[in-house]
Amino acid sequence: NAGVTQTPKFQVLKTGQSMTLQCAQDMNHEYMSWYRQDPGMGLRLIHYSVGAGITDQGEVPNGYNVSRSTTEDFPLRLLSAAPSQTSVYFCASRGPTRGSYEQYFGPGTRLTVT
Amino acid sequence: AQSVTQLDSQVPVFEEAPVELRCNYSSSVSVYLFWYVQYPNQGLQLLLKYLSGSTLVKGINGFEAEFNKSQTSFHLRKPSVHISDTAEYFCAVTYNTNAGKSTFGDGTTLTVKP
Repeated sequence: NAGVTQTPKFQVLKTGQSMTLQCAQDMNHEYMSWYRQDPGMGLRLIHYSVGAGITDQGEVPNGYNVSRSTTEDFPLRLLSAAPSQTSVYFCASRGPTRGSYEQYFGPGTRLTVT
Repeated sequence: AQSVTQLDSQVPVFEEAPVELRCNYSSSVSVYLFWYVQYPNQGLQLLLKYLSGSTLVKGINGFEAEFNKSQTSFHLRKPSVHISDTAEYFCAVTYNTNAGKSTFGDGTTLTVKP
């Protein structure tokens, strides 16, 4: 199993550009989520999904969109990048919604917006 | 709202000394508690978890943690640290409600000095 994979590893965007961060998992996990990590602020939840076709907002959803058309993939879209979105982004997944709460994290995408 | 407080942002210790990283969470009826470790430029990986049962849980790399319901704490301990334990450590809590979303603390940077 590859676990949770993320692409790209690094990205530089100009203000106003859009892009999609890719996330995929091969563990047949129902629950997937996106976090951003900023220095001294831990991980903050952006969006999450409890299964294909179901998504919901987390703590800091503004400026980001998600969709979940398959169990495996959970892309994160930046609609119009802003310098405040400079961060490290982690995708995570875990097993059935009830009874399994351990999360598996991808290696992260380091995004810089200039 | 659920919250997690890691009481120390940085903990410097000498090699082979004991260490305790402190974590408190906001009270709830049913919680699941986790410690994750993040090595430089990597994603998070699970150290240990408390779901139910014995309040003393053992994890990888010689770490252990004790769940204290009355004090709403989940402190992480290791009796003798190694240089390789230098990393950032995150405490996380998942409540058995609210779609099982997780909340992370701000992290504690453990630096082990020779």
